[in-house]
Amino acid sequence: GAVVSQHPSWVICKSGTSVKIECRSLDFQATTMFWYRQFPKQSLMLMATSNEGSKATYEQGVEKDKFLINHASLTLSTLTVTSAHPEDSSFYICSASPLTSGGGREQFFGPGTRLTVL
Amino acid sequence: DAKTTQPPSMDCAEGRAANLPCNHSTISGNEYVYWYRQIHSQGPQYIIHGLKNNETNEMASLIITEDRKSSTLILPHATLRDTAVYYCILYPGGSEKLVFGKGMKLTVNP
Repeated sequence: GAVVSQHPSWVICKSGTSVKIECRSLDFQATTMFWYRQFPKQSLMLMATSNEGSKATYEQGVEKDKFLINHASLTLSTLTVTSAHPEDSSFYICSASPLTSGGGREQFFGPGTRLTVL
Repeated sequence: DAKTTQPPSMDCAEGRAANLPCNHSTISGNEYVYWYRQIHSQGPQYIIHGLKNNETNEMASLIITEDRKSSTLILPHATLRDTAVYYCILYPGGSEKLVFGKGMKLTVNP
């Protein structure tokens, strides 16, 4: 099946610093990628939809200036957490859907990135 | 908000079939039923999806009722590695977003 990678798999940073997380589709192209956040014992919450070559679409309540998303190519999207604070500590997961026609396309998920802000 | 309803948890004996129910009474004509699972501290894994016909792959079978208002995911021979949170999601596909509900925790016991 299609493979999505994330880098890094985990990161620890000091409060006030910025952290960049990469999401790559390794064997397919994707015009759209999605970023999710998951807190302990909770479900995945969609943060934003990342569109290649255009601005990301953020879900209600997600600060676009804090969570910067760049989708520079059909295989790479990045999420930058700016001025991170301890409450941003979470599990960040991306997903991507291959470019095919018609409905019923599945999304493939990355392994996630564990962010801990001290 | 998620448009599906699942029981919060279920136990199953190793080697037995696990039948995971899902209700989706407000499903639209263009929405597929997708199943994903998430093993602790990993990204969700795609299992199977269907529109109205029953589907089977190497991982599982999906049974969708004729009125499409409910479905059942069947793991024919559950193993300990099948212990995970299972999500039943309605999804039209493509660039539409996936909305995750609370899911159902399946615990496979030895």
